[in-house]
Amino acid sequence: DVKVTQSSRYLVKRTGEKVFLECVQDMDHENMFWYRQDPGLGLRLIYFSYDVKMKEKGDIPEGYSVSREKKERFSLILESASTNQTSMYLCASSLRDRVGDTIYFGEGSWLTVV
Amino acid sequence: DAKTTQPTSMDCAEGRAANLPCNHSTISGNEYVYWYRQIHSQGPQYIIHGLKNNETNEMASLIITEDRKSSTLILPHATLRDTAVYYCIVRSTGGFKTIFGAGTRLFVKA
Repeated sequence: DVKVTQSSRYLVKRTGEKVFLECVQDMDHENMFWYRQDPGLGLRLIYFSYDVKMKEKGDIPEGYSVSREKKERFSLILESASTNQTSMYLCASSLRDRVGDTIYFGEGSWLTVV
Repeated sequence: DAKTTQPTSMDCAEGRAANLPCNHSTISGNEYVYWYRQIHSQGPQYIIHGLKNNETNEMASLIITEDRKSSTLILPHATLRDTAVYYCIVRSTGGFKTIFGAGTRLFVKA
């Protein structure tokens, strides 16, 4: 079975804290993604990576950064958490450049910034 | 990636087939139709995908019209655990910026 594992299911952080969300996939996928999901706004792409040490901005990268030092691991970093970053964060992965490649999602990380 | 249109919500009786429609009239030739579902508080779960032929797996069937402008996801015998939001999306190779819209909220009732 495919597996995308997010390190924390629920987190509560204070405004201004640095927050790390970790994601690991065991499918040897080249592509990895971070989304956030908010009521009424659907899933919005924050960043994606198509290879180790490579990253591309998605639709809403402001306030976030990412790190991909190993193929299986993709980290999302909130440099200075703010209350408007309270959301559900979803990590996903897929194979690269295959027609019809499927994206697989993790279980999600619920972040509350107080 | 092409945009999709789905009904906001649907009801289905337990044990009956659930037919979820999706319109993707601007789909291009190299774009696949994907279906995912999301049960409350969990990540989206992959269900099925197809290009132009009908597809079936252990979870569902996907019927794509000949002109590829619409499709229907069929859950043959819906159960209460199938209550979820169902997303229809279209994407092509390297389509990183997958767009998930509002989806269809399916309520399966006993």
